[in-house]
Amino acid sequence: SQTIHQWPATLVQPVGSPLSLECTVEGTSNPNLYWYRQAAGRGLQLLFYSVGIGQISSEVPQNLSASRPQDRQFILSSKKLLLSDSGFYLCAWRGPATNEKLFFGSGTQLSVL
Amino acid sequence: LAKITQPISMDSYEGQEVNITCSHNNIATNDYITWYQQFPSQGPRFIIQGYKTKVTNEVASLFIPADRKSSTLSLPRVSLSDTAVYYCLVGVLTGGFKTIFGAGTRLFVKA
Repeated sequence: SQTIHQWPATLVQPVGSPLSLECTVEGTSNPNLYWYRQAAGRGLQLLFYSVGIGQISSEVPQNLSASRPQDRQFILSSKKLLLSDSGFYLCAWRGPATNEKLFFGSGTQLSVL
Repeated sequence: LAKITQPISMDSYEGQEVNITCSHNNIATNDYITWYQQFPSQGPRFIIQGYKTKVTNEVASLFIPADRKSSTLSLPRVSLSDTAVYYCLVGVLTGGFKTIFGAGTRLFVKA
């Protein structure tokens, strides 16, 4: 069966510090991968999605970047965090077919102070 | 991509049936309609998906009229544990496999 792992669960970082969040998927090949962010009490904002290794599409211009160095690995990064980067970050995957469901990781609660 | 509109919040009581309607006027021919449930500090989880007419599973029913411009999620006999945010998601295979969520409906079930 497929599983998705996301870490860390919580993170407190000072403003201006770097960020690296990692997500890995097991039990499937060539998944579509996604990074979402959710501010407190708000909906899900799509940040990045990837249909294959090295293929990244950005939805929101900001100081975040994403990379997909391996088929089942998706990394969210920042060189310098801003206060506005605080939020709940979720990684998700789905298969390639039209009616595939999204499966989410457990999320990372990031607080930038 | 289809523009999604759903109520911001709804209140209900235990044991009642709850219906949440989602409007997606410019849904594309290939789009499926999918509903997710999210509890605080957790990722959303799949509830139900449909393309047309009616779909039913062990937790919900999904009603889709012939024009597919709206859909209604029906939760039978809700309990306190159904208090959550419910997202309607339309549109999957659109070039870059984007999957964009609406704002969601916050359902609060009272005793």
